Amino acid sequence: QQPVQSPQAVILREGEDAVINCSSSKALYSVHWYRQKHGEAPVFLMILLKGGEQKGHEKISASFNEKKQQSSLYLTASQLSYSGTYFCGTVDSSYKLIFGSGTRLLVRP
Amino acid sequence: EPEVTQTPSHQVTQMGQEVILRCVPISNHLYFYWYRQILGQKVEFLVSFYNNEISEKSEIFDDQFSVERPDGSNFTLKIRSTKLEDSAMYFCASSFDRRNEKLFFGSGTQLSVL
Repeated sequence: QQPVQSPQAVILREGEDAVINCSSSKALYSVHWYRQKHGEAPVFLMILLKGGEQKGHEKISASFNEKKQQSSLYLTASQLSYSGTYFCGTVDSSYKLIFGSGTRLLVRP
Repeated sequence: EPEVTQTPSHQVTQMGQEVILRCVPISNHLYFYWYRQILGQKVEFLVSFYNNEISEKSEIFDDQFSVERPDGSNFTLKIRSTKLEDSAMYFCASSFDRRNEKLFFGSGTQLSVL
């Protein structure tokens, strides 16, 4: 079953912060976050494996609440290069990585 | 970093024709996947492949679709009789583990069915 992402779209000024949320109705083994630029393949950002786990990648970090089956991606001090569509992907007992519908992020100067 | 390679990058075909999309996964990976993305929409799971057989497939992956690993390096997706709605970007991906490892995506094949 497809995870639910919110918001659908975000517009930021350079330097502002954003949070993208992802939730599933199923128990999860892992949550993956990818960013996709127009016309390109999804690029891996990070994977979260355990309940309460947090990870960081430069100014992009994420958390995973296993009990609530929710994950959040935090983008701090956004840069122009952060623009793109962010997808969360979840792996449950079916072992399929299923992507959410995506969050379009636009960072303006 | 190792790469998944896909060929061709663009494929144009007539409705009803067969197409084969090709992928070379990363050499030591064990799990192989096909995803598709219709323009402006989400990335949709089609099929996963392990140990020379399909391990999971979606409802999109009907009898018109098939996958094969004809040799030790290539992984192919065949669409037997293409429809207009098959027009999409098709991504191949591979991973070492199907649960806890990231997927490496190829750059995709843009399929246009006329």
